Amino acid sequence: SAVISQKPSRDICQRGTSLTIQCQVDSQVTMMFWYRQQPGQSLTLIATANQGSEATYESGFVIDKFPISRPNLTFSTLTVSNMSPEDSSIYLCSVEVLERGIYEQYFGPGTRLTVT
Amino acid sequence: GNSVTQMEGPVTLSEEAFLTINCTYTATGYPSLFWYVQYPGEGLQLLLKATKADDKGSNKGFEATYRKETTSFHLEKGSVQVSDSAVYFCALRGNDYKLSFGAGTTVTVRA
Repeated sequence: SAVISQKPSRDICQRGTSLTIQCQVDSQVTMMFWYRQQPGQSLTLIATANQGSEATYESGFVIDKFPISRPNLTFSTLTVSNMSPEDSSIYLCSVEVLERGIYEQYFGPGTRLTVT
Repeated sequence: GNSVTQMEGPVTLSEEAFLTINCTYTATGYPSLFWYVQYPGEGLQLLLKATKADDKGSNKGFEATYRKETTSFHLEKGSVQVSDSAVYFCALRGNDYKLSFGAGTTVTVRA
């Protein structure tokens, strides 16, 4: 398994500003992911972040809006840029770990973002 | 593409009742299947998993069996507790390493 922490746990931000969310893992992992969970909804994958390469974004998400860094095998950041109220969501990072031959994803506690 | 269809809630039960949450999937090949649970105000926790046909995943009294013939992975628990109140997500991992999630089912257990 993996233990994942995120900072901040929650924030209230003004429209037009940016917020950077940090994700720290207790072990080295290749694959890290960023998800968005809008209120009462399921999870939507924003991007996949591998160390040493550019993040791969899903349809509907762009680097200018959600820049991601992955400087090493235990850390990643997601920035939500030029925020609007529609960006109010929970943002979760996850990592993929190979456990006894099975690929499993473990999630951080999430960052609850409210944009006013 | 891969997709997961999950019984929508909300589901409200009394303590010690039997819980079933239906989950069916569409995928090519042989995906791995998962159930995640999200307690109020928390992130997702991996509840159980199965990787091949007829595998049974189990944890904390919950069970789910990988049924390839019906492309299903229904979650069951024989006697729920108030502490089982949460949102449950069925998920699939295909060959492209991405997880596809169902819509989630909110379960509330009353004392």
